[in-house]
Amino acid sequence: AQSVTQLDSQVPVFEEAPVELRCNYSSSVSVYLFWYVQYPNQGLQLLLKYLSGSTLVESINGFEAEFNKSQTSFHLRKPSVHISDTAEYFCAVIPSSNTGKLIFGQGTTLQVKP
Amino acid sequence: DVKVTQSSRYLVKRTGEKVFLECVQDMDHENMFWYRQDPGLGLRLIYFSYDVKMKEKGDIPEGYSVSREKKERFSLILESASTNQTSMYLCASSSPGSSTYEQYFGPGTRLTVT
Repeated sequence: AQSVTQLDSQVPVFEEAPVELRCNYSSSVSVYLFWYVQYPNQGLQLLLKYLSGSTLVESINGFEAEFNKSQTSFHLRKPSVHISDTAEYFCAVIPSSNTGKLIFGQGTTLQVKP
Repeated sequence: DVKVTQSSRYLVKRTGEKVFLECVQDMDHENMFWYRQDPGLGLRLIYFSYDVKMKEKGDIPEGYSVSREKKERFSLILESASTNQTSMYLCASSSPGSSTYEQYFGPGTRLTVT
């Protein structure tokens, strides 16, 4: 069965510092990969996704993630964070053979300090 | 813009009460989902539906039921609420024909059972 592991439950970081949120998945089949973000008191929003093609994908607000098939990872990075990036981040996968159900990781809370 | 709405943002119910959580989407999506979100556990799928009057159990269906009488509406029912069902409940929808496989989330209902 597929599973997703986010290795850090909380990541505190100072404003303008770089950050990496780690995500590993286990799957014997090919998958599609997603990062969702949940700002305080809101629902989840799609941040970025990998379906095929270039293994490096980017979001409009400066985040990027790289699909590494050999390490089964999809880590999220940003070179310089802002206070407004404070949120909970969820990594998720869909097996490419079953495009209905998302499998989520446990979530990582990014706390950006001034 | 896709819109997924949930009937209440906050709800307080007593143990043993029957609770209805309503979700409506306006994008004619076939797929609809109910998740439960708890700290440290991420999102866990309760039930999902691929079509009207069709439902399938997710990972944690015990104590819950669902109803989908119309395509745009998916209801989660707690037959007899218990304190361990205190949680954030998130509804989502998606289209199986979409090339992005994205799920769109509502703002969530924070349910407290006392």
